[in-house]
Parts: sequence; C-alpha cells; structure tokens
Amino acid sequence: KQEVTQIPAALSVPEGENLVLNCSFTDSAIYNLQWFRQDPGKGLTSLLLIQSSQREQTSGRLNASLDKSSGRSTLYIAASQPGDSATYLCAVFSGSARQLTFGSGTQLTVLP
Amino acid sequence: SAVISQKPSRDICQRGTSLTIQCQVDSQVTMMFWYRQQPGQSLTLIATANQGSEATYESGFVIDKFPISRPNLTFSTLTVSNMSPEDSSIYLCSVEFGVAGQYFGAGTRLSVL
Repeated sequence: KQEVTQIPAALSVPEGENLVLNCSFTDSAIYNLQWFRQDPGKGLTSLLLIQSSQREQTSGRLNASLDKSSGRSTLYIAASQPGDSATYLCAVFSGSARQLTFGSGTQLTVLP
Repeated sequence: SAVISQKPSRDICQRGTSLTIQCQVDSQVTMMFWYRQQPGQSLTLIATANQGSEATYESGFVIDKFPISRPNLTFSTLTVSNMSPEDSSIYLCSVEFGVAGQYFGAGTRLSVL
C-alpha cells in the first residue's frame, strides 16, 4: 500500500526566502506525482505534475523534482511571498487501482 | 485542465438528515473521484465513480452511507446520508485526465450540528 510522507508539517519563513518542501513515498512504481496548493477551507489547486519518466518540472517561482528510485520529491519555492501562505500537498498516482495517495501536507506561512 | 463546479460550496445540516453534493465538469471524463477531508487532515478517497457502472468504494466507506450517482460523463453526485457531527468535513470531487493528472473542484464544506 502506497504511503506518502511530507516534511516538515509546518514551516514559517520571512518574505523573500527560498524554501524546500519534502515528500517521500514508499512504492516507487508510480505513474506521476502532483503538487497541490490548498488555501484554508478551499479546494485544491494543481501546481505541478511530474510524470514518472521526468526528473523535474518548473512553473514560475516553483520547481519540483522527482527521484523515483529513492521515492522522493521536493518542491522548491523561490523568493517566497506572503501570498504563498497555504498548505502544500504532495500526491502520487500509482497502483493497479490507479489511485491518488496524498501526504498530510506542509502548512507554509510566509511572514511579511 | 478542466472547469469543475461543485455545489453547494458549504452547508450546515442537522443530525440525521442527508445532503447531496453535485459535481459538474465542462468536458467528458471517464473517471470521477470523491474525497473527504476531515478537519486538520489530508484527503481520503471515498469512492471512484465510472459512468455506466457502480461506484467502487474504499475500505471504511459504504454505499448506504455515501450513495453515488454517475448518470453521464460530465456529472456526478455524492449523498451523505443520516449525518452525524463526525461527518463534518470538506468533500471534494476530482477528475482524472490521464497523463495530465487530477483536478479538483472547490469543495463542499459541511458542518453537522
């Protein structure tokens, strides 16, 4: 059974800092990995999708990497802004049942 | 990507009643999913809904409690039946676009008194 772990659970940084969020998964036989953003009480916004054959994806100030063999992914946020404050969720799509398994999230606070 | 509309966005319900949540997609999709997010927790898959077949429920979720309809390729409903305060959660629908990943509706925030 796929298990996804995110570290840290919470992170608080001053505006302008670069930061890294970590995600690890137990079964490396994945189809893809997605990073999502969730604002309080809201739905999920897809940030980046990395296929199993890819090593990284970039969108603006965001860069996500994938090391499938070691079961790890990182989300790098450059020059953080208060508007980046949210919970970031990592999810892997895997298994014969083709299911998305979520980590517990990292709650990010960027202080002005 | 797709536009996924979910209704209602939030509701406050009395114990013992039922609520039906609607999910509408602006394009045809084979697989739709329903998730629950309990307060302070991550997302848990309730069931997978394919058009033309019975929904497939995950361990811990049963059809009598969470009946699902999937009448066509753009629409699905989830009913939360005989509600109790433990059902207070955010309920989300999502759709899969193969290699393009999954996309989510804005969620329904349910509070049961």
